[in-house]
Amino acid sequence: SQQGEEDPQALSIQEGENATMNCSYKTSINNLQWYRQNSGRGLVHLILIRSNEREKHSGRLRVTLDTSKKSSSLLITASRAADTASYFCATAFTGGGNKLTFGTGTQLKVEL
Amino acid sequence: DAGVTQSPTHLIKTRGQHVTLRCSPISGHKSVSWYQQVLGQGPQFIFQYYEKEERGRGNFPDRFSARQFPNYSSELNVNALLLGDSALYLCASSEAGTGITGANVLTFGAGSRLTVL
Repeated sequence: SQQGEEDPQALSIQEGENATMNCSYKTSINNLQWYRQNSGRGLVHLILIRSNEREKHSGRLRVTLDTSKKSSSLLITASRAADTASYFCATAFTGGGNKLTFGTGTQLKVEL
Repeated sequence: DAGVTQSPTHLIKTRGQHVTLRCSPISGHKSVSWYQQVLGQGPQFIFQYYEKEERGRGNFPDRFSARQFPNYSSELNVNALLLGDSALYLCASSEAGTGITGANVLTFGAGSRLTVL
């Protein structure tokens, strides 16, 4: 079963706008990761945030983590058509090895 | 450097048959994980292998099995295929079996799309 939910399920914006995706999870985590998937192919790692971190940046990406609310958000600024993809959050647990538990994903469409 | 490679990319089987999927990790990566992604859902963890030993198993029936070879490549086997096994099967590799702060970053292959008729 999925660890959590992502919201919204689908998001459509214009190029240049910002896109925000939210992820909620159910249990304590060690780290949370965001991945991107184009057209049902392999996933590409975007960013990892540790449980003791609250915010992290990477280029046009900004991730926040609120462990008290068991939630995270991914912000993509100045979106481009090439950002069109599905975005997944994935959580890692103590003693879980490399096991990641993925959310349900947000489908982002960036229109020209 | 080559990324994670998976074969075959697509395959069609009928119910009751057996399938073997193969994965070659990035050179130097010793951990391989397998995920199943059903259309419209996020990937679900099936197995992790590290140094040829099983390090984790997801909530999948015994029809699913895997192994890792001395060169760190891996096979996923599924017996007695069911229609519900139709999915994209993803392999991912990482250097170590676990990270200092939980799971490592995983590098995924492009997947093997299995259709069961």
